[in-house]
Amino acid sequence: NAGVMQNPRHLVRRRGQEARLRCSPMKGHSHVYWYRQLPEEGLKFMVYLQKENIIDESGMPKERFSAEFPKEGPSILRIQQVVRGDSAAYFCASSANRANTGELFFGEGSRLTVL
Amino acid sequence: TQLLEQSPQFLSIQEGENLTVYCNSSSVFSSLQWYRQEPGEGPVLLVTVVTGGEVKKLKRLTFQFGDARKDSSLHITAAQTGDTGLYLCAGAGNNNDMRFGAGTRLTVKP
Repeated sequence: NAGVMQNPRHLVRRRGQEARLRCSPMKGHSHVYWYRQLPEEGLKFMVYLQKENIIDESGMPKERFSAEFPKEGPSILRIQQVVRGDSAAYFCASSANRANTGELFFGEGSRLTVL
Repeated sequence: TQLLEQSPQFLSIQEGENLTVYCNSSSVFSSLQWYRQEPGEGPVLLVTVVTGGEVKKLKRLTFQFGDARKDSSLHITAAQTGDTGLYLCAGAGNNNDMRFGAGTRLTVKP
């Protein structure tokens, strides 16, 4: 799982600012998933992307949050006008195939703190 | 939405004891996965179970997939302090993404 790279590992923002979290999947993986985790809780699904396409964004708030996975470059999770409730760990995972046919490899997460 | 419920939520035991944690759903899954997450890190896959009734062993860990493919259990024999962590089960959702339960937080005391 060390192959999935997330940055930054820690990000501090003030209310109203923008947060951009980046995820480079493992080499050869075209499926990317973003999850959010609050302290002492499990992983909450946010969005599933396959190169240049959003497959399922049912877990992502409709306002302020967006995700992309361009043809070239990392996947980006963007949070506009952050609020204190956005403080959490955001994990990215990648897979070579659809999730139900293989293993998800996770990055080490990006921890967002909103002051 | 296919929900996965894990129990217990928290479990604290002494080193050497045995334990079982559970993952239950009202939905049928084509496969279930178990992950372990340590503080400050991302989850790491332990096992994937695919066939109803399947039992898989990984050293001191035994995983079982229910006959109806709606539930799974993880049994740890002679727990060690290194087993401490958050154990998450996950099943494939309707769009083939992976949905996770809330996890069982295991603490093994020396």
